[in-house]
Amino acid sequence: QVQLVESGGGVVQPGGSLRLSCAASGFTFSSFGMHWVRQAPGKGLQWVAFIRYDGATQYYADSVKGRFTISRDNSNNTLYLQMNSLRAEDTAVYYCAKDANTAMDYWGQGLLVTVSS
Amino acid sequence: QSALTQEASVSGTVGQKVTLSCTGNFNNIGSYAVGWYQQISHGAPKTVMFGNSLPSGIPDRFSASKSGTTASLTISGLQPEDEADYYCSTWDYSLSAWVFGGGTKLTVL
Repeated sequence: QVQLVESGGGVVQPGGSLRLSCAASGFTFSSFGMHWVRQAPGKGLQWVAFIRYDGATQYYADSVKGRFTISRDNSNNTLYLQMNSLRAEDTAVYYCAKDANTAMDYWGQGLLVTVSS
Repeated sequence: QSALTQEASVSGTVGQKVTLSCTGNFNNIGSYAVGWYQQISHGAPKTVMFGNSLPSGIPDRFSASKSGTTASLTISGLQPEDEADYYCSTWDYSLSAWVFGGGTKLTVL
C-alpha cells in the first residue's frame, strides 16, 4: 500500500533553515508528481509546493517563493523541502502528498515545524 | 482569504444526506477536477474523492459532482464517523498554483 513518511521537522530560530524529507513506498515514485501542503495551528490546509514526476518543473505558493525549494531523488524514492529564511508564520504541520492530476490522493502523517526564538 | 469558498459549518443527523459546496471560478473549478479531503481532529488529511474517483476504502455513500464553477461533495446516509473538517482543492491556471478552500466543519448531531 502507498506509504509516505515525513521526517526532519523540529524547532528552528527565525531566519534559520530546515530540510524536510518524505520517504515514499508502495507505488512507482518516479511516475508521479508530489506536493507539500502545510497547516498552521488552528488554520486550514495551505498548498506549499509541487514537483513534477521527473523533477523538471516546480511550482510554489507566493508565500514561500524564493525561500523554499522542492526537490526529489527518484533513485531513493524521496521527496525534499529545503526551507530557508524561516519566519514565525511558517510554523505549521507539513504534509507530503502524492499527486493525482489536479488533486492529491495519498498523504503522509505530517510533521511539525516550529519557528521560534 | 481562500481562493475557493466553502461553508464554515454544516450539520446533519445520522442517516441524513448532506451536501458540502466549494465555489471557485473558471480558472480553477470551472476547468479542473476537484479533490475532497477529510480531516478528523486535526489528524492527517484523507482523500475521500478526487475528480469522480472514489479512493479505495472510502464508502460509496460519498459522491462528488460539479456544476460550472461550484463543486459539491454529498454524503448519503450520514454516519457519526463522518464528523470532520472537509477541504476542497484544485489547480488554478491563472495563479499557477494549487488552491484550497477554507474548510467546512461537518457536525453529526
